Amino acid sequence: QQPVQSPQAVILREGEDAVINCSSSKALYSVHWYRQKHGEAPVFLMILLKGGEQKGHDKISASFNEKKQQSSLYLTASQLSYSGTYFCGTEIITGGSYIPTFGRGTSLIVHP
Amino acid sequence: DAGVIQSPRHEVTEMGQEVTLRCKPISGHNSLFWYRQTMMRGLELLIYFNNNVPIDDSGMPEDRFSAKMPNASFSTLKIQPSEPRDSAVYFCASSFSGTGSYEQYFGPGTRLTVT
Repeated sequence: QQPVQSPQAVILREGEDAVINCSSSKALYSVHWYRQKHGEAPVFLMILLKGGEQKGHDKISASFNEKKQQSSLYLTASQLSYSGTYFCGTEIITGGSYIPTFGRGTSLIVHP
Repeated sequence: DAGVIQSPRHEVTEMGQEVTLRCKPISGHNSLFWYRQTMMRGLELLIYFNNNVPIDDSGMPEDRFSAKMPNASFSTLKIQPSEPRDSAVYFCASSFSGTGSYEQYFGPGTRLTVT
């Protein structure tokens, strides 16, 4: 029931683009994206609630394809500060409650 | 806002000892989550409270783990007795939950080492 992220790791040079994918075997109600830097807590990036929704923040954006049960995070013209582990999260709906679950994460390393 | 506060930040204990982790959520948030993070298993939800009531504790590994939320501003996660395999970073997160999905704010975590 845990969403599956791909790739597991990405290594980039500054200025290059990256895409991180998140898919689920179950219907997705929403998708959250978080970034965690080494030794720190995960930090919320954005949430997508509707199929077809797209959001952006600086040069980081995401899309949500409800039919395909997947979401993608796009990092454009990557900066050194983008390095970290990116997690997608979603909810399992159980007994009327929304129980969060996270993917295993994608490690992103940006080199100068 | 001070954000989610966790204490202690680091805990080193011997196997068999009781460990208590503490969390103060963001004021006004009504949902609180305890997570455990390890390299092997990633970020696992242990228990989830909504309005101080445990909603889902299916992620609690075994009876050695217990969690309480006596009021809206405080929660504890207790491990008794602790074992080396409990070594991990434990995060507390809070959110405001109306109905459905919501963003979570994580505390800095407690790094637990059981020797």
